[in-house]
Amino acid sequence: GAVVSQHPSRVICKSGTSVKIECRSLDFQATTMFWYRQFPKQSLMLMATSNEGSKATYEQGVEKDKFLINHASLTLSTLTVTSAHPEDSSFYICSARDPLIQGAFFGQGTRLTVV
Amino acid sequence: QKEVEQNSGPLSVPEGAIASLNCTYSDRGSQSFFWYRQYSGKSPELIMFIYSNGDKEDGRFTAQLNKASQYVSLLIRDSQPSDSATYLCAVKDDKIIFGKGTRLHILP
Repeated sequence: GAVVSQHPSRVICKSGTSVKIECRSLDFQATTMFWYRQFPKQSLMLMATSNEGSKATYEQGVEKDKFLINHASLTLSTLTVTSAHPEDSSFYICSARDPLIQGAFFGQGTRLTVV
Repeated sequence: QKEVEQNSGPLSVPEGAIASLNCTYSDRGSQSFFWYRQYSGKSPELIMFIYSNGDKEDGRFTAQLNKASQYVSLLIRDSQPSDSATYLCAVKDDKIIFGKGTRLHILP
């Protein structure tokens, strides 16, 4: 299947700092990418839909000024968690929609710990 | 609100038996359906997709789609302990809508 690379896989940051997570589609062009958050033993929660060249669409309850999304090219979307707090600690996962099958392939996920 | 429903489980199946996972969806106009497997602490992995009514087989996996009844299922033959995971059903709309997943436990 298609490959989506997410980096970093794990990050620890201090409260109040910002963290950037990258998501790249390696072998296809993704006009649409998705960002999810998942807490332990809970289901995936869609945070936002990232469209290349336009503003991201955020789900209800997700602060767009706190979770900045940039989708500047057909193969790269970034999520920046600004002014991180311990409650932002979670598993963040991106996915990219493969235009051929219309399904999404997931990155490896980023485990964020805010101390 | 478009929804995808799955039984959360856990579903326990003896090793070597057939595991059957079911999913229903609310939007009759949905056209594309996916099954993902997620191991604990890892991100989901796409294992099957199906677009047409009927069965689609890939190795030990068979996806079944019935658009009239709005359900899609996944059969895993000859279940192995390594199949123990959470299985997510997903339906493509303008976004991809996921069910909450079914935890499958294969008993050695």
